[in-house]
Amino acid sequence: GAGVSQSPRYKVAKRGQDVALRCDPISGHVSLFWYQQALGQGPEFLTYFQNEAQLDKSGLPSDRFFAERPEGSVSTLKIQRTQQEDSAVYLCASSSSGASGYEQYFGPGTRLTVT
Amino acid sequence: AQSVTQPDIHITVSEGASLELRCNYSYGATPYLFWYVQSPGQGLQLLLKYFSGDTLVQGIKGFEAEFKRSQSSFNLRKPSVHWSDAAEYFCAVRDTGFQKLVFGTGTRLLVSP
Repeated sequence: GAGVSQSPRYKVAKRGQDVALRCDPISGHVSLFWYQQALGQGPEFLTYFQNEAQLDKSGLPSDRFFAERPEGSVSTLKIQRTQQEDSAVYLCASSSSGASGYEQYFGPGTRLTVT
Repeated sequence: AQSVTQPDIHITVSEGASLELRCNYSYGATPYLFWYVQSPGQGLQLLLKYFSGDTLVQGIKGFEAEFKRSQSSFNLRKPSVHWSDAAEYFCAVRDTGFQKLVFGTGTRLLVSP
């Protein structure tokens, strides 16, 4: 079946621009996660949704970062007034409910470069 | 806070040789542990996971890992490495109080002919 998809795969933004990154989770998956992966580092948690509810946003680095999942399916991560330190790969993951939901399935990521 | 340590940044192994990638975690209770692999330009693919039970777990692509509570370790092993195994490997622990994964910094595996 189809996996997690993300778009765009690559995004170049000038400093100060706003960007929107999209994630399409696996159909039926209740949980959705966003992670940020800086060059040479492991992914770091940003935020977590269960259906449309954002249950944990403790990893969002500043109030310029905003995520939503209005219908409990597709999610968008928005970064306002981008800064150079926002350059990273943004990974989306989804998981099903129940015990098997401990597994997170990752998308290919969106590589954001802020110039 | 939970943390994961992967002490080896790079490892080079000859094709056909055995492999062991180290992972140590910091967590009070029994953790949920994972190994993921990431090829260049790709997302993360789950290799294997440990939740409970048998401490030796088998994964995809011939990988296995052993959970050792006394050493707070979850090392990844493969008896014979193939050139296609060259990639970045990440160990992760799931925060059981929440849902997020906490990742190590990764180990880059290079396979020499």
